[in-house]
Amino acid sequence: EAGVTQFPSHSVIEKGQTVTLRCDPISGHDNLYWYRRVMGKEIKFLLHFVKESKQDESGMPNNRFLAERTGGTYSTLKVQPAELEDSGVYFCASSQNPPTEAFFGQGTRLTVV
Amino acid sequence: AQSVSQHNHHVILSEAASLELGCNYSYGGTVNLFWYVQYPGQHLQLLLKYFSGDPLVKGIKGFEAEFIKSKFSFNLRKPSVQWSDTAEYFCAARIVGGFKTIFGAGTRLFVKA
Repeated sequence: EAGVTQFPSHSVIEKGQTVTLRCDPISGHDNLYWYRRVMGKEIKFLLHFVKESKQDESGMPNNRFLAERTGGTYSTLKVQPAELEDSGVYFCASSQNPPTEAFFGQGTRLTVV
Repeated sequence: AQSVSQHNHHVILSEAASLELGCNYSYGGTVNLFWYVQYPGQHLQLLLKYFSGDPLVKGIKGFEAEFIKSKFSFNLRKPSVQWSDTAEYFCAARIVGGFKTIFGAGTRLFVKA
């Protein structure tokens, strides 16, 4: 069974540019989550989808971040325009319903210069 | 506010030493508890989880954790570490019936051969 996959694994962009991160959850997992870890700190929740619907986006930092989950399958997280403080590792995870544990992707390391 | 605290940010041990990583949580209700591990260059993976029942939980690779409700703690233990246990360890909590997982800041373990 394929795990959660994220693309790209690394991205280096300039301040002001746009970046789109992609996450493919485990097939059949209705729940999809985005998390972010800024260097050395805790992994922080960004948002949660159930199928294509946003259930909780309380962790989204500001309106420069836009997450979508088309058709309830893969998800994208767009940062536009990127700022220096957006640098970090962005994790995607998925889980079944009801949720037991979340399965994580390898993360996307975003560096804004 | 909900939070998870890990006592040590960095731990260095020699092979065969015993390991205990501290974790305390602060939540307003009943929680599910997790320990995740991230080996160098790999994705986060679940070591063990506590949902209910026996508070002493056995996980993969010889790890175990004990849930002590009165102390709001869920410490991770391993009697004898190996060089291959070098990794970052994350304690996490999620309110029962909820979806958002709160993580601690992580503990980097380095095991000397």
